[in-house]
Amino acid sequence: DIQMTQSPSSLSASVGERVTITCQANQDIKKYLNWYQQKEGKAPKLLIYGASNLRTGVPSRFSGSGSGTDFSFTISSLQPDDIATYYCQHYHNLPLTFGGGTKVEIK
Amino acid sequence: EVQVFESGGGLVQPGGSLKLSCAASGFAFSSYVMNWVRQTPGKGLEWVSAISAGGDIPYYADSVKGRFTISRDNAKTTLYLQMNSLRADDTAIYYCATSNLWGQGTLVAVSS
Repeated sequence: DIQMTQSPSSLSASVGERVTITCQANQDIKKYLNWYQQKEGKAPKLLIYGASNLRTGVPSRFSGSGSGTDFSFTISSLQPDDIATYYCQHYHNLPLTFGGGTKVEIK
Repeated sequence: EVQVFESGGGLVQPGGSLKLSCAASGFAFSSYVMNWVRQTPGKGLEWVSAISAGGDIPYYADSVKGRFTISRDNAKTTLYLQMNSLRADDTAIYYCATSNLWGQGTLVAVSS
């Protein structure tokens, strides 16, 4: 199984600040990576697919990059509505696996 | 509206069974691989099972293989998960999902 290591597990940043989350796979997953946002009590919502493709309707302050084993997810200017937990997930093969999540809070 | 809606969760004793359903609408259900994913506070998000678009090829996580059975009825646009021999560590919110569409989840609690 492919293991996804996500860091940090939590972070606190000010409104307007740039936030970056990293995700590392233990084998090459090319660009088969999704990023999800999960707000409290809600289902995960897909933000980015194919490592760097922004889903239609998702604000442009969200972005993703990387390929192979190392990936990153960035919020260019943190907004109050971005308070959530973010997960990476590979879809290179089965079983699909998720990172442990990053809880983002406002400082 | 494009959506999936899970049902069938509840409280069950260890060793018991439950069948989850996921009703889909607003998209070409029969063209999509469908998944069940579960979430617990302690273990995060865990993929459980998937089924091919035609319904002929199931896939399972090792943790549920031999106990859970995934199926689908494309005519009824509904996905199912039959869960047998349930254990305490199966307690979770179960989501029906494609990559870009998730339901609201249904809670399964396994406890005596």
